[in-house]
Amino acid sequence: DQQVKQNSPSLSVQEGRISILNCDYTNSMFDYFLWYKKYPAEGPTFLISISSIKDKNEDGRFTVFLNKSAKHLSLHIVPSQPGDSAVYFCAASGNTPLVFGKGTRLSVIA
Amino acid sequence: DAGVIQSPRHEVTEMGQEVTLRCKPISGHNSLFWYRQTMMRGLELLIYFNNNVPIDDSGMPEDRFSAKMPNASFSTLKIQPSEPRDSAVYFCASSFNLGDQPQHFGDGTRLSIL
Repeated sequence: DQQVKQNSPSLSVQEGRISILNCDYTNSMFDYFLWYKKYPAEGPTFLISISSIKDKNEDGRFTVFLNKSAKHLSLHIVPSQPGDSAVYFCAASGNTPLVFGKGTRLSVIA
Repeated sequence: DAGVIQSPRHEVTEMGQEVTLRCKPISGHNSLFWYRQTMMRGLELLIYFNNNVPIDDSGMPEDRFSAKMPNASFSTLKIQPSEPRDSAVYFCASSFNLGDQPQHFGDGTRLSIL
């Protein structure tokens, strides 16, 4: 039973355009959400997070949106750059260890 | 500052052999997590420790898997005997305390069991 789902295994975007990565969760006890970025042969690195008391958090080109009623969050990258090509993991916690989605592979095409 | 350090980076061994993966968490971090990444299941939590004590090992797939944390700066994940289906990338992560985010990951050990 997957509590955190990333339904798109891959996404291709043109350089300079917006990348939107989506994540759905089922556990209403989750109250903190994170996005991690992973390059090949490296461990996941923390990118951005959001608490359930907010609906938006922004850090430079990266913005995370949270829709609690829909149990949905998304990561927006604007503008997308070739260096953003990586696997992005959505993760959630709520008095529990992190639960990860399976990841979305983003390819930014120059 | 040194991050989470895992060794070896790659391990290739024959089925039936014992495999030991090692992890050094970030100094000062009290919580340590072992994950396994596969194509089919993504990143799954195997076991985690707080203050060197195992808190939850319900993610450990079988009795062939065991983990220890003898002190605050070292942990091992052992598979004995190993099987081809154990082939995966194993990650160690640490955080200041349980529930603190984010967790910081090592670069993983790519394990291949022939």
